[in-house]
Amino acid sequence: QVQLVESGGGVVQPGGSLRLSCAASKFSFSGYGMHWVRQAPGKGLEWVAFIRFDGTNKYYADSVKRRFTVSRDNAQSTLYLQMNSLRSEDTAVYYCARDGRDKGLDYWGQGTLVTVSS
Amino acid sequence: QSALTQPASVSGSPGQSITVSCTGTSSDVGGSNYVSWYQQHPGKAPKLLIYDVDKRPSGVSDHFFGSKSGNTASLTISGLQAEDEADYYCASYTSSSTWVFGGGTKLTVL
Repeated sequence: QVQLVESGGGVVQPGGSLRLSCAASKFSFSGYGMHWVRQAPGKGLEWVAFIRFDGTNKYYADSVKRRFTVSRDNAQSTLYLQMNSLRSEDTAVYYCARDGRDKGLDYWGQGTLVTVSS
Repeated sequence: QSALTQPASVSGSPGQSITVSCTGTSSDVGGSNYVSWYQQHPGKAPKLLIYDVDKRPSGVSDHFFGSKSGNTASLTISGLQAEDEADYYCASYTSSSTWVFGGGTKLTVL
Protein backbone atom coordinates (compact mmCIF):
# COMPACT_ATOMS: atom_id res chain seq x y z
CA GLN A 1 0.00 0.00 0.00
CA VAL A 2 1.28 3.48 -0.92
CA GLN A 3 2.87 5.28 2.01
CA LEU A 4 3.57 8.99 2.37
CA VAL A 5 5.13 10.27 5.57
CA GLU A 6 5.63 13.99 6.16
CA SER A 7 8.15 15.44 8.57
CA GLY A 8 9.85 18.71 9.39
CA GLY A 9 6.98 20.64 10.91
CA GLY A 10 7.36 22.69 14.06
CA VAL A 11 7.20 26.17 15.52
CA VAL A 12 8.94 28.98 13.66
CA GLN A 13 8.96 32.74 14.09
CA PRO A 14 7.43 35.06 11.49
CA GLY A 15 9.93 35.68 8.73
CA GLY A 16 11.65 32.39 9.39
CA SER A 17 12.18 29.34 7.21
CA LEU A 18 11.35 25.67 7.41
CA ARG A 19 11.81 22.68 5.11
CA LEU A 20 9.23 19.93 5.01
CA SER A 21 9.92 16.44 3.71
CA CYS A 22 7.62 13.72 2.45
CA ALA A 23 9.08 10.22 2.30
CA ALA A 24 7.34 8.02 -0.23
CA SER A 25 7.34 4.24 -0.37
CA LYS A 26 5.62 1.23 -1.90
CA PHE A 27 5.17 2.79 -5.30
CA SER A 28 7.35 4.06 -8.13
CA PHE A 29 7.86 7.62 -6.85
CA SER A 30 9.71 8.80 -9.96
CA GLY A 31 6.64 8.11 -12.10
CA TYR A 32 4.20 10.40 -10.31
CA GLY A 33 3.63 14.09 -9.87
CA MET A 34 3.24 15.22 -6.27
CA HIS A 35 1.27 17.91 -4.46
CA TRP A 36 1.46 19.85 -1.22
CA VAL A 37 -1.89 20.79 0.32
CA ARG A 38 -2.39 22.61 3.61
CA GLN A 39 -5.17 23.05 6.12
CA ALA A 40 -5.20 25.89 8.64
CA PRO A 41 -6.67 25.00 12.05
CA GLY A 42 -10.43 24.61 11.72
CA LYS A 43 -10.34 25.63 8.06
CA GLY A 44 -10.62 23.98 4.67
CA LEU A 45 -8.07 22.48 2.34
CA GLU A 46 -5.84 24.80 0.30
CA TRP A 47 -3.74 23.58 -2.58
CA VAL A 48 -0.15 24.82 -2.24
CA ALA A 49 2.12 23.40 -4.94
CA PHE A 50 2.64 20.69 -7.54
CA ILE A 51 5.76 19.21 -9.08
CA ARG A 52 5.86 16.99 -12.15
CA PHE A 53 7.21 13.45 -11.89
CA ASP A 54 10.57 14.53 -13.29
CA GLY A 55 10.76 17.89 -11.52
CA THR A 56 10.75 19.85 -14.76
CA ASN A 57 7.61 21.85 -14.02
CA LYS A 58 6.42 23.35 -10.76
CA TYR A 59 3.24 25.27 -9.99
CA TYR A 60 2.27 27.29 -6.94
CA ALA A 61 -0.72 28.94 -5.35
CA ASP A 62 -0.54 32.73 -5.50
CA SER A 63 -0.47 32.84 -1.69
CA VAL A 64 2.93 31.10 -1.55
CA LYS A 65 4.53 32.04 -4.86
CA ARG A 66 8.09 33.40 -4.53
CA ARG A 67 8.21 32.26 -0.87
CA PHE A 68 7.83 28.49 -1.14
CA THR A 69 9.78 26.10 -3.37
CA VAL A 70 8.79 22.53 -4.12
CA SER A 71 11.47 20.01 -5.11
CA ARG A 72 12.04 16.29 -5.19
CA ASP A 73 14.79 13.70 -5.05
CA ASN A 74 13.65 10.71 -7.06
CA ALA A 75 16.67 8.67 -6.03
CA GLN A 76 15.62 9.07 -2.39
CA SER A 77 11.84 8.95 -3.11
CA THR A 78 11.42 12.18 -1.20
CA LEU A 79 9.41 15.33 -1.82
CA TYR A 80 10.34 18.65 -0.24
CA LEU A 81 8.77 22.01 0.46
CA GLN A 82 11.13 24.84 1.32
CA MET A 83 9.17 27.58 3.06
CA ASN A 84 10.73 31.04 3.46
CA SER A 85 9.43 34.37 4.76
CA LEU A 86 6.83 32.54 6.81
CA ARG A 87 3.75 34.40 8.00
CA SER A 88 1.19 33.65 10.68
CA GLU A 89 -1.30 32.74 7.95
CA ASP A 90 0.97 29.90 6.87
CA THR A 91 0.14 28.08 10.11
CA ALA A 92 -1.44 24.82 9.01
CA VAL A 93 -1.15 21.08 8.72
CA TYR A 94 0.77 20.39 5.52
CA TYR A 95 -0.08 17.25 3.57
CA CYS A 96 1.77 15.71 0.68
CA ALA A 97 -0.39 13.86 -1.82
CA ARG A 98 0.27 11.77 -4.90
CA ASP A 99 -1.15 12.90 -8.21
CA GLY A 100 -2.94 9.90 -9.63
CA ARG A 101 -2.11 10.72 -13.25
CA ASP A 102 -5.38 12.51 -14.01
CA LYS A 103 -7.15 10.47 -11.36
CA GLY A 104 -7.19 13.01 -8.57
CA LEU A 105 -4.98 13.22 -5.52
CA ASP A 106 -5.22 9.55 -4.79
CA TYR A 107 -3.00 9.04 -1.73
CA TRP A 108 -2.31 11.41 1.14
CA GLY A 109 0.11 11.47 4.03
CA GLN A 110 -1.00 12.11 7.60
CA GLY A 111 0.33 15.67 7.59
CA THR A 112 2.83 17.71 9.58
CA LEU A 113 1.90 20.79 11.61
CA VAL A 114 3.65 24.10 10.97
CA THR A 115 3.04 26.87 13.48
CA VAL A 116 4.27 30.37 12.71
CA SER A 117 4.30 32.37 15.92
CA SER A 118 6.54 34.65 17.90
CA GLN B 1 -7.25 31.50 -7.49
CA SER B 2 -10.54 31.91 -5.62
CA ALA B 3 -11.82 28.87 -3.77
CA LEU B 4 -14.69 26.96 -5.32
CA THR B 5 -18.02 27.64 -3.63
CA GLN B 6 -19.61 24.91 -1.53
CA PRO B 7 -22.41 25.11 1.04
CA ALA B 8 -21.00 25.26 4.54
CA SER B 9 -23.23 22.46 5.75
CA VAL B 10 -25.81 19.90 4.68
CA SER B 11 -27.72 17.32 6.66
CA GLY B 12 -29.88 14.28 6.13
CA SER B 13 -31.34 11.29 7.89
CA PRO B 14 -30.05 7.74 7.53
CA GLY B 15 -31.22 6.23 4.26
CA GLN B 16 -31.87 9.58 2.63
CA SER B 17 -29.90 11.14 -0.24
CA ILE B 18 -28.09 14.46 -0.16
CA THR B 19 -26.28 16.52 -2.76
CA VAL B 20 -23.32 18.83 -2.23
CA SER B 21 -22.73 21.46 -4.88
CA CYS B 22 -19.42 22.95 -5.96
CA THR B 23 -19.52 26.08 -8.09
CA GLY B 24 -16.57 27.50 -9.96
CA THR B 25 -15.96 29.27 -13.24
CA SER B 26 -15.22 28.44 -16.83
CA SER B 27 -11.51 28.58 -15.88
CA ASP B 28 -11.80 25.65 -13.50
CA VAL B 29 -14.89 23.45 -13.00
CA GLY B 30 -16.59 24.51 -16.21
CA GLY B 31 -13.50 24.04 -18.34
CA SER B 32 -12.02 20.92 -16.76
CA ASN B 33 -12.85 17.25 -16.61
CA TYR B 34 -10.43 16.95 -13.69
CA VAL B 35 -12.92 17.57 -10.90
CA SER B 36 -12.50 15.44 -7.81
CA TRP B 37 -14.12 15.02 -4.39
CA TYR B 38 -12.56 14.21 -1.03
CA GLN B 39 -13.94 13.01 2.29
CA GLN B 40 -12.26 14.02 5.54
CA HIS B 41 -13.13 12.71 8.97
CA PRO B 42 -12.01 14.75 12.00
CA GLY B 43 -8.29 14.46 12.64
CA LYS B 44 -7.74 12.35 9.54
CA ALA B 45 -6.19 12.91 6.13
CA PRO B 46 -8.52 13.49 3.18
CA LYS B 47 -9.59 10.49 1.13
CA LEU B 48 -10.29 10.51 -2.60
CA LEU B 49 -13.94 9.68 -3.36
CA ILE B 50 -14.48 10.78 -6.96
CA TYR B 51 -12.09 11.75 -9.77
CA ASP B 52 -12.62 12.98 -13.32
CA VAL B 53 -16.08 14.30 -12.37
CA ASP B 54 -17.83 10.97 -11.96
CA LYS B 55 -15.36 8.11 -11.53
CA ARG B 56 -14.88 6.17 -8.30
CA PRO B 57 -11.52 4.73 -7.27
CA SER B 58 -11.40 1.06 -6.47
CA GLY B 59 -12.81 0.43 -3.00
CA VAL B 60 -15.03 3.50 -2.80
CA SER B 61 -18.68 2.72 -2.18
CA ASP B 62 -21.06 3.11 -5.10
CA HIS B 63 -23.40 5.22 -2.97
CA PHE B 64 -21.12 8.17 -3.80
CA PHE B 65 -21.95 9.69 -7.18
CA GLY B 66 -20.36 12.64 -8.99
CA SER B 67 -21.71 14.80 -11.79
CA LYS B 68 -21.19 18.18 -13.44
CA SER B 69 -23.29 20.72 -15.29
CA GLY B 70 -21.69 23.87 -16.60
CA ASN B 71 -19.61 25.52 -13.86
CA THR B 72 -21.15 23.43 -11.06
CA ALA B 73 -20.09 19.97 -9.95
CA SER B 74 -22.13 17.89 -7.54
CA LEU B 75 -21.57 15.02 -5.14
CA THR B 76 -24.60 12.92 -4.32
CA ILE B 77 -24.58 10.49 -1.44
CA SER B 78 -27.44 8.04 -1.51
CA GLY B 79 -28.60 5.87 1.37
CA LEU B 80 -26.92 7.99 4.01
CA GLN B 81 -25.06 6.11 6.71
CA ALA B 82 -23.77 7.32 10.05
CA GLU B 83 -20.18 6.87 8.89
CA ASP B 84 -20.77 9.31 6.03
CA GLU B 85 -20.73 12.15 8.56
CA ALA B 86 -17.60 14.07 7.58
CA ASP B 87 -16.33 17.09 5.71
CA TYR B 88 -16.43 16.98 1.92
CA TYR B 89 -14.26 18.97 -0.46
CA CYS B 90 -14.35 19.40 -4.20
CA ALA B 91 -11.26 20.26 -6.24
CA SER B 92 -10.60 21.22 -9.83
CA TYR B 93 -7.67 21.59 -12.16
CA THR B 94 -7.56 25.10 -13.62
CA SER B 95 -6.62 26.76 -16.89
CA SER B 96 -3.51 28.12 -15.14
CA SER B 97 -2.21 24.59 -14.53
CA THR B 98 -2.95 24.93 -10.83
CA TRP B 99 -5.53 23.25 -8.61
CA VAL B 100 -8.21 24.83 -6.44
CA PHE B 101 -10.29 23.36 -3.63
CA GLY B 102 -13.76 24.23 -2.48
CA GLY B 103 -14.31 25.69 0.97
CA GLY B 104 -15.67 22.39 2.27
CA THR B 105 -19.08 21.14 3.36
CA LYS B 106 -19.84 19.58 6.72
CA LEU B 107 -22.29 16.71 6.41
CA THR B 108 -24.36 15.89 9.46
CA VAL B 109 -26.29 12.62 9.58
CA LEU B 110 -29.28 13.28 11.81
